[in-house]
Amino acid sequence: DVKVTQSSRYLVKRTGEKVFLECVQDMDHENMFWYRQDPGLGLRLIYFSYDVKMKEKGDIPEGYSVSREKKERFSLILESASTNQTSMYLCASSPMGGRINEQFFGPGTRLTVL
Amino acid sequence: GQQLNQSPQSMFIQEGEDVSMNCTSSSIFNTWLWYKQEPGEGPVLLIALYKAGELTSNGRLTAQFGITRKDSFLNISASIPSDVGIYFCAGPMRSSNTGKLIFGQGTTLQVKP
Repeated sequence: DVKVTQSSRYLVKRTGEKVFLECVQDMDHENMFWYRQDPGLGLRLIYFSYDVKMKEKGDIPEGYSVSREKKERFSLILESASTNQTSMYLCASSPMGGRINEQFFGPGTRLTVL
Repeated sequence: GQQLNQSPQSMFIQEGEDVSMNCTSSSIFNTWLWYKQEPGEGPVLLIALYKAGELTSNGRLTAQFGITRKDSFLNISASIPSDVGIYFCAGPMRSSNTGKLIFGQGTTLQVKP
């Protein structure tokens, strides 16, 4: 059974803290994605990676960075958390080739920044 | 730019009823995807469509790739309470072969037992 896992389901942090969200996939997928989901705004792409150590900005990269040191792991970093980064964060992965658009999602991390 | 419009925005139906929802765009897509997101969970891929006119089923779910390539439809037959959730359509971003998707805003489905 294919799987994308995220390190935490719920996280509460304080303003100014550095926050790490981890995502691991066991499908040997090349592509990995980080989204945030907010009511009324849908799913918005923060960053994606198509290979180890490769990354590209999505639609809303400001205030975030990412790291992909291993193929199976993609980390999202909030350098200095702010209250407007309170959101649901979703990680996804997809293969290369014909099924490149079939993204598989993790369960999400609900982050609250106080 | 590309945009996917889903309708209806929400539905409240009786258990056992059939459900229809759709996704439209002013742009042509070569792939349509349908996801379901249950409360507090990540989206789950239900059906992927790759060919105009294609009709694909997954249990009680049936999705169609519109002939114009600008729309797609999802039907759920004989709804049950566990069908509750948000249903998203998605398609690949134009000029992108990196697997980036755009998503519709979702159709929220509630089922009354």
